[in-house]
Amino acid sequence: QVTLKESGPVLVKPTETLTLTCTVSGFSLSNARMGVSWIRQPPGKALEWLAHIFSNDEKSYSTSLKSRLTISKDTSKSQVVLTLTNMDPVDTATYYCARLRRDGYNLLFDYWGQGTLVTVSS
Amino acid sequence: EIVLTQSPDTLSLSPGERATLSCRASQSVSSSYLAWYQQKPGQAPRLLIYGASSRATGIPDRFSGSGSGTDFTLTISRLEPEDFAVYYCQQYGSSLPWTFGQGTKVEIK
Repeated sequence: QVTLKESGPVLVKPTETLTLTCTVSGFSLSNARMGVSWIRQPPGKALEWLAHIFSNDEKSYSTSLKSRLTISKDTSKSQVVLTLTNMDPVDTATYYCARLRRDGYNLLFDYWGQGTLVTVSS
Repeated sequence: EIVLTQSPDTLSLSPGERATLSCRASQSVSSSYLAWYQQKPGQAPRLLIYGASSRATGIPDRFSGSGSGTDFTLTISRLEPEDFAVYYCQQYGSSLPWTFGQGTKVEIK
């Protein structure tokens, strides 16, 4: 059974660094066909892709947030970590992690975590 | 950046009716990397369609996807009560950043 679970602070202050962890089960982060992506959704708004990482450590970032984002993985712990520096109230959102699975020529975001709401406020 | 524009913003229909949702891209998108998701309040998005037209595991066949290039469509042949939700399209091809549309809300008329 594939599951992903996000964890991290529910409240951060402006200018602080947010660190979120996605703990996965039911698949291995070392599987060549697998990766993990982070997506966020401000309250009442649309989804926004942030970053992804694959088993070979290939990484990509949102163009607008690239200078503030870092994604990494610890395969032994089955965890993917996202950091976002210099938090601002506009970064208030539900943060999701999702599994990326290569299927032939296709790529699927096939399993998602339940999401974690992060509020930025002093 | 590829901008995805979904239309309409809101679709008011009755159970049993057909729903047709549009997703238009500002540049050509590889069909292999166009997906549709359903999201209900308080829940994570659920993958419905990937590769523009392939149904994800467990998705009923009343959901179908079509299109290529810059124009894509999600069709729900006969709306069930559980289908009233917000639907997002997403492109994740070779052009970064990967982007989502703004969503279409399918509401009960």
